[in-house]
Amino acid sequence: AQSVTQLDSHVSVSEGTPVLLRCNYSSSYSPSLFWYVQHPNKGLQLLLKYTSAATLVKGINGFEAEFKKSETSFHLTKPSAHMSDAAEYFCVVTSTSGGSYIPTFGRGTSLIVHP
Amino acid sequence: DAGVIQSPRHEVTEMGQEVTLRCKPISGHNSLFWYRQTMMRGLELLIYFNNNVPIDDSGMPEDRFSAKMPNASFSTLKIQPSEPRDSAVYFCASSHRGPNTEAFFGQGTRLTVV
Repeated sequence: AQSVTQLDSHVSVSEGTPVLLRCNYSSSYSPSLFWYVQHPNKGLQLLLKYTSAATLVKGINGFEAEFKKSETSFHLTKPSAHMSDAAEYFCVVTSTSGGSYIPTFGRGTSLIVHP
Repeated sequence: DAGVIQSPRHEVTEMGQEVTLRCKPISGHNSLFWYRQTMMRGLELLIYFNNNVPIDDSGMPEDRFSAKMPNASFSTLKIQPSEPRDSAVYFCASSHRGPNTEAFFGQGTRLTVV
């Protein structure tokens, strides 16, 4: 079965400093991986996705993630945090079952941005 | 397209009452998912449908929960009778069925059972 582990439940940064949100995956084959963001009392929005094309994936709002097969990682980064980046971030892998493709979520990382 | 539409956005009900949550997926999508989000358990998959057919409901917590998808543009999640521990945010998502396609989420229904 496919799964993801988000290594930090909370990450705290100062505005203007880099952001690193860590995600490791477990998959028996080349996975499809996604990052979603959830702002307070809002739904989930797709930030970016990896689907076996380029290993460095660029997303919205200046975020990017790099797929590293040797490390089974898909960490999310941003060079400079903005106050509006404060939110919950979810790493997601597509699990397969009997021909179905099911988004399987990590527990989430809460990003706190200090002024 | 307006995206995935869920209703109501908020629901407050008394314990023992029946609750029905509704979802309209994005037109053309053939997979639909219901998730529940709580602080304790994060995002849990309750049930999913392919082409309106329920495929796996092993995530449904109890027989009090049921879900239907009578056609490609509508799904319901029903809780009868509701209990305070059912209080959570319930999300509906839809996607094209396939390994590289992302799921699109509705805004969620915040359910409070008192």
